[in-house]
Amino acid sequence: EVQLVESGGGLVKPGGSLRLSCAASGFTFTKAWMSWVRQAPGKGLEWVGRIKSESDGGTADYAAPVKGRFTISRDDSKNTVYVQMNSLKTEDTAVYYCTTGPGIALAWGQGTLVIVSS
Amino acid sequence: DIVMTQSPDFLAVSLGERATINCKSSQSLLYSSNNKNYFAWYQQKPGQSPKLLIYWASTRDSGVPDRFSGSGSGTDFTLTISSLQAEDVAVYYCQQYYSTLITFGQGTRLEIK
Repeated sequence: EVQLVESGGGLVKPGGSLRLSCAASGFTFTKAWMSWVRQAPGKGLEWVGRIKSESDGGTADYAAPVKGRFTISRDDSKNTVYVQMNSLKTEDTAVYYCTTGPGIALAWGQGTLVIVSS
Repeated sequence: DIVMTQSPDFLAVSLGERATINCKSSQSLLYSSNNKNYFAWYQQKPGQSPKLLIYWASTRDSGVPDRFSGSGSGTDFTLTISSLQAEDVAVYYCQQYYSTLITFGQGTRLEIK
């Protein structure tokens, strides 16, 4: 069974940083492309970014609102994907979901809540 | 970025009746080399994470009931629930994965009339 477990959310002040983690199991992580999708309170889904498998180059792409502030990385030895979030803004407040799939989000984690507030 | 626009924003349908949700993309999602539409539908029930329903515009994911069907090509797509059940109350999202920069529709809230 595919499992994605996010962690690392919490309350942070504007301008601060936070690193989220997503531990994966139940599939071949080394071959998987991994994404982050967020959902602001009461709002819709917003794609944050994606990292390819190492065999496909291991590069990451980002949505415009987070480009230059967020960095997605992966540790295949730990079956874990990360998102380092810097220069956080109040509009980054959301539940952050980890997903797996080349474009389609085949599976989703339960999400971790990030609140950016002074 | 490719803009995805769903209609309606809110839909109320009686139990057992048909529900139809539409999604329009700002550019074609049909990749000519493989004749596939890079388009998906997701369901998010209250308090839960989203779940994949349909991909390649019309392929149901494993375990999705056959009352859910997807149709359309190019820029216009439809999700149809043939006979609405109480457990189908949810917000439904369309998504394009044609572009490197993935985008979702704004969501359609489906409730029981």
